[in-house]
Amino acid sequence: EMQLVESGGGLVQPGGSLRLSCEASGFSFSNYWMSWIRQAPGRGLKRVANIKFDGSETEYEDSVKGRFTISRDNAKNSLYLQMNSLRVEDTAVYYCARDTYCGSGCFPFDPWGQGTQVTVSS
Amino acid sequence: SYELTQTPSVSVSPGQTASITCSGDKLGDKYVCWYQQKPGQSPVLVIYQDSKRPSGIPDRFSGSKSGNTATLTISGTQPMDEADFFCQVWDSNIIFGGGTKLTVL
Repeated sequence: EMQLVESGGGLVQPGGSLRLSCEASGFSFSNYWMSWIRQAPGRGLKRVANIKFDGSETEYEDSVKGRFTISRDNAKNSLYLQMNSLRVEDTAVYYCARDTYCGSGCFPFDPWGQGTQVTVSS
Repeated sequence: SYELTQTPSVSVSPGQTASITCSGDKLGDKYVCWYQQKPGQSPVLVIYQDSKRPSGIPDRFSGSKSGNTATLTISGTQPMDEADFFCQVWDSNIIFGGGTKLTVL
């Protein structure tokens, strides 16, 4: 069974840092792009970062560029998100998800982790 | 930037058919995915490439698209289907719709 398990969330003051982790099992982690997707309270979903299967390429949503860093360790089947200079508006549940491909312009996410809560507040 | 529009809420009686729509400019040129998110849980992919079901998803879930509108249809809706549903496409980036809350009552 494919599984993604996040950890590392918590309460942090504005300007602080957190490092999220996501451990994968049940599939060949090193063969897939991976993403971090967040969901702010009562709001929709937004992908904040993704990373190529070998870690050689990364992409970020504009609001987190320069503050967040996505990385991976394929030997440990693990994905990370280093979050610096956190803002109140970064408060959300953060999910890791496996990127899949089903044709040109077809990129479903499957599976998703259970999510980890990040709260930025003074 | 590209936007997907979903009706905020839909209600349906048990056993009836629920239709959840997602609209966007030139949606006919894009592949649509649908996710179900039950309260307190993470999203689950229920439809990809407009109308395909991942393994393990009941066949009462189906997807279709016409013009600029995609539709997720749940036939014989069950109380366990009550959830938020999100559509998603790719338009130079990943775009999610705002979500539709399905109430089964």
